Amino acid sequence: GAVVSQHPSRVICKSGTSVKIECRSLDFQATTMFWYRQFPKQSLMLMATSNEGSKATYEQGVEKDKFLINHASLTLSTLTVTSAHPEDSSFYICSARSSGGNTGELFFGEGSRLTVL
Amino acid sequence: EDQVTQSPEALRLQEGESSSLNCSYTVSGLRGLFWYRQDPGKGPEFLFTLYSAGEEKEKERLKATLTKKESFLHITAPKPEDSATYLCAVRLYSGGGADGLTFGKGTHLIIQP
Repeated sequence: GAVVSQHPSRVICKSGTSVKIECRSLDFQATTMFWYRQFPKQSLMLMATSNEGSKATYEQGVEKDKFLINHASLTLSTLTVTSAHPEDSSFYICSARSSGGNTGELFFGEGSRLTVL
Repeated sequence: EDQVTQSPEALRLQEGESSSLNCSYTVSGLRGLFWYRQDPGKGPEFLFTLYSAGEEKEKERLKATLTKKESFLHITAPKPEDSATYLCAVRLYSGGGADGLTFGKGTHLIIQP
């Protein structure tokens, strides 16, 4: 299947600093990528939709100034958690659709564990 | 309101003990049902997509089936390496997130040797 890579897999930072997470589609082009948060024993919560060449679309309750998304190319989207606080500690996962429109399967990255001290 | 419900929340089986996981959805207009496997600290791994009632798909010890209101993931003679959380997601004609999917909370499966 299609491969989606995330980096870093784990990151620990101090409160108040910013952290950038990368999501790459390795063997296909993705005009749309998605970012999720997942808390322990909970399912994935969609945070935002990343659109190549345009602004991201955020789900209700997600602060766009807190979670900056950039989708500068067809294979790369980045999520920057700005001024991180301990409550931002979570598992962040990206996904990309392997074909155009809304019909292809979603493939997920391996996730990035963020711990804010 | 939960549109996708997975049961049981957790299941512990002995190696070789076959069982089934359930995913039920409460709305009509299904455009696809997806099964994913998620290992601890990892992103979900795609397993199957089912589109219409009566459809079945198999992969090694796993078989997914679909009816008009639910899907089953059957695990035959499981091995310890099948231990994981299994997530179900549905794509509906309306509703769902921007990714078009509504996820269940998953079934945490443990296979004991």
